[in-house]
Amino acid sequence: DTAVSQTPKYLVTQMGNDKSIKCEQNLGHDTMYWYKQDSKKFLKIMFSYNNKELIINETVPNRFSPKSPDKAHLNLHINSLELGDSAVYFCASSQGSAEEQFFGPGTRLTVL
Amino acid sequence: GENVEQHPSTLSVQEGDSAVIKCTYSDSASNYFPWYKQELGKGPQLIIDIRSNVGEKKDQRIAVTLNKTAKHFSLHITETQPEDSAVYFCAASLSSGYSSASKIIFGSGTRLSIRP
Repeated sequence: DTAVSQTPKYLVTQMGNDKSIKCEQNLGHDTMYWYKQDSKKFLKIMFSYNNKELIINETVPNRFSPKSPDKAHLNLHINSLELGDSAVYFCASSQGSAEEQFFGPGTRLTVL
Repeated sequence: GENVEQHPSTLSVQEGDSAVIKCTYSDSASNYFPWYKQELGKGPQLIIDIRSNVGEKKDQRIAVTLNKTAKHFSLHITETQPEDSAVYFCAASLSSGYSSASKIIFGSGTRLSIRP
C-alpha cells in the first residue's frame, strides 16, 4: 500500500495556466507538508498543515495556495504559472513534529 | 533562521570503502537531525536520525555522530555497496514556535557514487 501518494507524477503546462497537485496519506499522520526541489536538488519547505490548520508558511508567492480538506489530504493549487515554478514538488507527512517525514514520489512540474 | 551546510556535494568511493558526509548547523536550539536518502526518481527516505541528547547512533553499516558544541554532525557508511549510490541529505529540525510545528531545514545534498 502506498503511504504517501501524489497525482499527477508529471505535469507539463504553459505559462499563465492554473494547475493543482493532489496528495493523500494513509498513515494516519497529523501533519502534512509541501516541499519544492529545484534542478540542483535543493529541498525547501513551502507549507505545513497540522490537522487541516496551516502552521508553516514560508516565503512563497501567494500564487501558491495549499488546501487541506481533511487530515489525510493536502492539495497544492498554483495560479498564473511561471517558468521559475518548474521543479519537483514533494508532499510529505509525519506524526507530530521532529519525527520521521514520509515523502511521496514527487510531481515533476514543467512550465513552458 | 537555521542554516544547514553539507559537504561534499559529490563523493565517489570504491565499493567496499567507507563514505563520510559532514554537515554543520547554525541554530543551537535544533535538537533533531535526520538523514535522508533519495534515489533517482523517488522521494527522500529516512535512513537514520539522531537527537541532541545522543552523541552517536549506529544501524548496521550506517552511523551518525553529533557534536553539539561544534554544531557538527556526520553520516558514516561502511562497506559501501552499489545500492548505496544516491543523493543524501542531512537536516536539522527547528521549532517554528507552534506547539505542533517543527520545520526541517535540509542541507544541499551529497551525490554519492559507488565505483565497482
